[in-house]
Amino acid sequence: DAKTTQPTSMDCAEGRAANLPCNHSTISGNEYVYWYRQIHSQGPQYIIHGLKNNETNEMASLIITEDRKSSTLILPHATLRDTAVYYCIADFGNEKLTFGTGTRLTIIP
Amino acid sequence: DAGVTQSPTHLIKTRGQQVTLRCSPKSGHDTVSWYQQALGQGPQFIFQYYEEEERQRGNFPDRFSGHQFPNYSSELNVNALLLGDSALYLCASSSGQSYQETQYFGPGTRLLVL
Repeated sequence: DAKTTQPTSMDCAEGRAANLPCNHSTISGNEYVYWYRQIHSQGPQYIIHGLKNNETNEMASLIITEDRKSSTLILPHATLRDTAVYYCIADFGNEKLTFGTGTRLTIIP
Repeated sequence: DAGVTQSPTHLIKTRGQQVTLRCSPKSGHDTVSWYQQALGQGPQFIFQYYEEEERQRGNFPDRFSGHQFPNYSSELNVNALLLGDSALYLCASSSGQSYQETQYFGPGTRLLVL
């Protein structure tokens, strides 16, 4: 079973920030929070990961709560190309990754 | 810099046959993991190879086997194919230096078993 829970689907208007939540209440102290996305029938694309601190890269920002039981992925200015299934994973990055069913994000023009 | 590559892109087999899928890791990576993704589901971990040895294995039967070569490329073999083996097979590579390294995925091989 996946160690994270995510909403099944979300919509976001083009140009607005997309905020994708994830609950990982059983995350262990050394496990990271990873986000991947999968555009239809392609391989998952790595987005960002973090342990305790908030992280930002050219694709997104990751906000992790202080108790590490939940996080939010932020796509600051969503475009139509951001339409995808987004997976939140709480794991050791180089070991087996346990994917759930993810959040299907649809960007609305 | 080429990312993770997989071949073939698509494959059609019949029940009972055997199949071999191939993966070349991203430059500088020495660890290869394989995942199976059924339609509408998230990827499921099959196994991971490091230093030519199977390091971790998921809940898949022995019909699924693999191999890693000295150049770090890898093969996934599936024997006695079942209809339920139809899926997208994904390869991911990473550096084996620590458990916190990030896995990067290839485009996948779509297998259809008739």
